[in-house]
Amino acid sequence: GAVVSQHPSWVICKSGTSVKIECRSLDFQATTMFWYRQFPKQSLMLMATSNEGSKATYEQGVEKDKFLINHASLTLSTLTVTSAHPEDSSFYICSAIDSSYEQYFGPGTRLTVT
Amino acid sequence: AQSVAQPEDQVNVAEGNPLTVKCTYSVSGNPYLFWYVQYPNRGLQFLLKYITGDNLVKGSYGFEAEFNKSQTSFHLKKPSALVSDSALYFCAVSATDSWGKLQFGAGTQVVVTP
Repeated sequence: GAVVSQHPSWVICKSGTSVKIECRSLDFQATTMFWYRQFPKQSLMLMATSNEGSKATYEQGVEKDKFLINHASLTLSTLTVTSAHPEDSSFYICSAIDSSYEQYFGPGTRLTVT
Repeated sequence: AQSVAQPEDQVNVAEGNPLTVKCTYSVSGNPYLFWYVQYPNRGLQFLLKYITGDNLVKGSYGFEAEFNKSQTSFHLKKPSALVSDSALYFCAVSATDSWGKLQFGAGTQVVVTP
């Protein structure tokens, strides 16, 4: 089946710094990718829809200036957490949709802000 | 607006016994319904989905789910649980006009004891 990768799988950064998370569709092209956030022992919350070649669409309550999304190619979307704070610590999961409208999830990236 | 309810935080079952994880949903129009499983510190694994057609959907690893429109339910079932089925299970719904944008339930922890 199709594979979606995320890099890094885990990252620790200091408060005030920025961190970039990559989401790649390895064997298919994805015009649409999604970014989700999951707090410990909680459900996934959709953050934004990433469309190749256009601006991301953010869900209500998600700060677009804090969570920068770039979908520069059909196989790569990036999420940059700017000026990170401890409350941004979370598990970030991306997903990608292929040409058959099947959705595949990445393995997730655990971000810890100290 | 769409929503998903998983009324049980945890389901305990003995190995070999039937397993049921409950899910009810609310969505405008016809729903797209999904079940995913998550192992610790991992991404989501797709189990099955209902789009249209037969109300009984068979998925991966021996799981199945029945779509019940009148009760707005989509319960996940497995006839004989395995210890390896112990994991976190998520039900999700997508509206027909927002394919890929999943609203997840809170999740149900399944514990299968030997």
